[in-house]
Amino acid sequence: DIQMTQSPSSVSASVGDRVTITCRASQSIASWLAWYQQKPGEAPKLLIYAASSLQSGVPSRFSGSGSGTDFTLAISSLQPEDFATYYCQQAKSFPPTFGQGTKLEIK
Amino acid sequence: QVQLVESGGGVVQPGRPLRLACAASGFMFSGYAMDWVRQAPGKGPEWVAVISYDGSQKYYADSVKGRFTISRDNSKNTLYLEMNNLRAEDTAVYYCARPEGDYGPFEFWGQGALVTVSS
Repeated sequence: DIQMTQSPSSVSASVGDRVTITCRASQSIASWLAWYQQKPGEAPKLLIYAASSLQSGVPSRFSGSGSGTDFTLAISSLQPEDFATYYCQQAKSFPPTFGQGTKLEIK
Repeated sequence: QVQLVESGGGVVQPGRPLRLACAASGFMFSGYAMDWVRQAPGKGPEWVAVISYDGSQKYYADSVKGRFTISRDNSKNTLYLEMNNLRAEDTAVYYCARPEGDYGPFEFWGQGALVTVSS
């Protein structure tokens, strides 16, 4: 199975800050990477697919980059509703696997 | 709009069975593969199983193989997960999800059904 490792596991930031979260795959997954946002008590919400494509309805302050094994989710100008946990997921091969999550907290 | 609604969660003793259902609406259910994904308390999501659009192909995570069975009834627009010989480590919120490719990403998720395995 492809292992997905996110860093950091948690990050504190303020409204208006820019934040980046990293995801590393244990082997190359080309651009087969998705990012999700999850708030307490809710299902994950798809933000980014194919490493850098913004899902419909997701604000443009979210962006994704990377290919191969190293990927980044960036959130520019944090808004109060962005404080949540973020997960990456590889969609390259069976079985689909997720990172352990990065919790974005208010400083 | 696409809706996925799980039911059947609850508290169950170790070794006992439980069946989850996921009612789908707002899209042509019979045209899509469907997955179950679970999330243990405080952990990241874990993929559990997938079934092809017509039910002819099924695949499972190693952690549930031989104990869980995924099935579907396209006439009822419903997905199922039969869980047998449940263990404490199966305690999680179980989501049905619609993948947009062979292995995701998962654009649509249900609200989740909590399964607690405890004596």
